[in-house]
Amino acid sequence: ETGVTQSPTHLIKTRGQQVTLRCSSQSGHNTVSWYQQALGQGPQFIFQYYREEENGRGNFPPRFSGLQFPNYSSELNVNALELDDSALYLCASSLGVTGLNEKLFFGSGTQLSVL
Amino acid sequence: GNSVTQMEGPVTLSEEAFLTINCTYTATGYPSLFWYVQYPGEGLQLLLKATKADDKGSNKGFEATYRKETTSFHLEKGSVQVSDSAVYFCALFVGGGSNYKLTFGKGTLLTVNP
Repeated sequence: ETGVTQSPTHLIKTRGQQVTLRCSSQSGHNTVSWYQQALGQGPQFIFQYYREEENGRGNFPPRFSGLQFPNYSSELNVNALELDDSALYLCASSLGVTGLNEKLFFGSGTQLSVL
Repeated sequence: GNSVTQMEGPVTLSEEAFLTINCTYTATGYPSLFWYVQYPGEGLQLLLKATKADDKGSNKGFEATYRKETTSFHLEKGSVQVSDSAVYFCALFVGGGSNYKLTFGKGTLLTVNP
């Protein structure tokens, strides 16, 4: 039990639609990161938020956006869905931003299927 | 850029067999190295880590040694159990930036049979 919950667990959308995925971090964790895990691949870093500000971004287009709220919840929004967006989306929270000693706590993920 | 290469799976072993999962990396800078495990239906969990050359990370009978000369961080366990069946990910982190971004390998599925 990591204390990080994601919803929904599964979601089916059609190409061109928009989707919002939600994450509830551990209380006190100021940092949330989102990862995309395609089938048979390792997780790929999408972006990170620290105290409600985007703090770093991977190689994902602007149609991937996020929000972080003061109550330790966060959202990943994807506009104009494409078939290749089908993947498991993971959120991970941590106390701080940097550091070799920072431990990431991962949620179980949201499985998104785009038809 | 940074990348991690893991041995292809799946790996199928009998209980009490010896496990090795190979991992090599390419990094700009001096990385910290990690092994994460993903049990069915669950999120990733940190298994062990090493932050400098020749460090050995260990946890739950698993070990991995940071080898800078061979850019490797192979995962080993002397005697696997059925409960070790999971997907194992090797990952690295290079400091110097302002965010904690992990670069993962593709993962190796381990199945342990009784």
